[in-house]
Amino acid sequence: DGGITQSPKYLFRKEGQNVTLSCEQNLNHDAMYWYRQDPGQGLRLIYYSQIVNDFQKGDIAEGYSVSREKKESFPLTVTSAQKNPTAFYLCASMGPNGEAFFGQGTRLTVV
Amino acid sequence: GDSVTQMEGPVTLSEEAFLTINCTYTATGYPSLFWYVQYPGEGLQLLLKATKADDKGSNKGFEATYRKETTSFHLEKGSVQVSDSAVYFCALRGSGSSNTGKLIFGQGTTLQVKP
Repeated sequence: DGGITQSPKYLFRKEGQNVTLSCEQNLNHDAMYWYRQDPGQGLRLIYYSQIVNDFQKGDIAEGYSVSREKKESFPLTVTSAQKNPTAFYLCASMGPNGEAFFGQGTRLTVV
Repeated sequence: GDSVTQMEGPVTLSEEAFLTINCTYTATGYPSLFWYVQYPGEGLQLLLKATKADDKGSNKGFEATYRKETTSFHLEKGSVQVSDSAVYFCALRGSGSSNTGKLIFGQGTTLQVKP
């Protein structure tokens, strides 16, 4: 089935550790997005990519990095520079008709 | 930069009541506007969209009209059901030279419908 797959569903990070969240899509969409969802704050844009090998910072990019080496994949790395990484992370892709498809999310917790 | 502002929730209504969730935006150029819905324990789903001024998006009894003069995209439904209980997000996709393709969301409004 076509869709967005995020993994893992739950992730635990130690202080000072980098972790990478996976996002894969088989919808043949050019545009992909990463959001952070915190209670009461809605979705905040971290990074987005409109095409392979290109990406732009969103509103809260500090402490995060991404790559877009393949159309299907848009992994997000949460670095040790991100001081408050505990949150729910959502990945999405968007097709030419403007509808965004979301993954089921990854819940990251710092231990 | 571009931004979306929604009315704060939670909104609590009785079944068959009229629903309005306000959404206003700030953007350069001519953004596309969306409403997404998130049911408990699920991801976000597109509810409706409008791509130019005066367009009306509609789906499942929900409607919203793209008002450029008031920079608004308010969500309405004439008669809500318990099954409409969810979190509703207003969103825009930028079209200006510096933010084409940028998809940003409001903070979300929780709707609770009581029988």
